[in-house]
Amino acid sequence: GAGVSQSPRYKVAKRGQDVALRCDPISGHVSLFWYQQALGQGPEFLTYFQNEAQLDKSGLPSDRFFAERPEGSVSTLKIQRTQQEDSAVYLCASSLQGQNYEQYFGPGTRLTVT
Amino acid sequence: DQQVKQNSPSLSVQEGRISILNCDYTNSMFDYFLWYKKYPAEGPTFLISISSIKDKNEDGRFTVFLNKSAKHLSLHIVPSQPGDSAVYFCAADQGGKLIFGQGTELSVKP
Repeated sequence: GAGVSQSPRYKVAKRGQDVALRCDPISGHVSLFWYQQALGQGPEFLTYFQNEAQLDKSGLPSDRFFAERPEGSVSTLKIQRTQQEDSAVYLCASSLQGQNYEQYFGPGTRLTVT
Repeated sequence: DQQVKQNSPSLSVQEGRISILNCDYTNSMFDYFLWYKKYPAEGPTFLISISSIKDKNEDGRFTVFLNKSAKHLSLHIVPSQPGDSAVYFCAADQGGKLIFGQGTELSVKP
């Protein structure tokens, strides 16, 4: 079956621009997660949805970051007024259930802010 | 402060031998752990997991060992194959969110 897909795969934005990153989870997966991965580091948690409810957004680095999952399937991570420190790979993962269960990752979106 | 640590950034192993990747954690409340493999330009791929009620879980060539008293887990790959060359991440589940280590780059030489 189809895995988690993300688009675009690569995004170059000028500093100050807004960007929107899309995630299509595995069909039927209730939980959806966003992570940020800097070069040479492990992924770091940003936010977590169970269906359309955003249960945890403690990892979002600033109020410029916003995520939504309005119908409980596709999710969008939006970054407003991008800054150079936002450059990273943004990973989306989905899971059948929220806790103590394997998460399946998409290929990521590499964001470069110039 | 890193709650999950992989202290070896890299490991090189001969094909056919055992690869042992190590991971330490600080939070004794963690009760579920996972290992992921990552190739360049791809997302992490789930390999194997273990619940804290167990001390070992095996799946084919991959075995994960958990030592709760030492707050240490390890991933054993036997026998190692060149296709296993990748970055390996351990992660702890904290209420659904995964806390990752920094990764260990494994190189398996023919």
